[in-house]
Amino acid sequence: GNSVTQMEGPVTLSEEAFLTINCTYTATGYPSLFWYVQYPGEGLQLLLKATKADDKGSNKGFEATYRKETTSFHLEKGSVQVSDSAVYFCALTLNTDKLIFGTGTRLQVFP
Amino acid sequence: GAGVSQSPRYKVAKRGQDVALRCDPISGHVSLFWYQQALGQGPEFLTYFQNEAQLDKSGLPSDRFFAERPEGSVSTLKIQRTQQEDSAVYLCASSSDRVGGYGYTFGSGTRLTVV
Repeated sequence: GNSVTQMEGPVTLSEEAFLTINCTYTATGYPSLFWYVQYPGEGLQLLLKATKADDKGSNKGFEATYRKETTSFHLEKGSVQVSDSAVYFCALTLNTDKLIFGTGTRLQVFP
Repeated sequence: GAGVSQSPRYKVAKRGQDVALRCDPISGHVSLFWYQQALGQGPEFLTYFQNEAQLDKSGLPSDRFFAERPEGSVSTLKIQRTQQEDSAVYLCASSSDRVGGYGYTFGSGTRLTVV
């Protein structure tokens, strides 16, 4: 079946450190890939997306590249801030309207 | 409205009680989705509406779960005879696209606790 696997958290970093959150997927067909972020007490927000192989999604200093050969969509940021502390969800859709989410990775950034 | 509004934010129900969760999508959004998010897990799809038509209800876990969107705007998720395993955050999302995933806006959710 179609699924998303994320690295388990929490990921704990100091401010200005480099961030990588791994995400791999299994899909029948060619999915679109997404990263969503959930800040405490808030709803999920779309962070970035990529709709085909080799596309790079980027937003707010975060980047992720759709790698078909490794079925991955790892999230990266060069210098994290305390305000980036949140739960990050990798997700896919196969154009069937529903999103399939990973279990989420909690990021904690300390000053 | 400016965003997706869900009410109530928190609901405590005694086991066996019926509950109704409301979602007010962004005005004019065609597509509306319900997801269930258990503690420490990612959201899981429950059901999908396009206007008033429920096009996919494959994620509803049992016949105790029922969703409606009679006029193509506000939606209600009803859970009958609640059980402890129904405890979760219920998320609503809407989209202007007919094919979802390209611009969902999520509400803040309703946290249901069944005691």
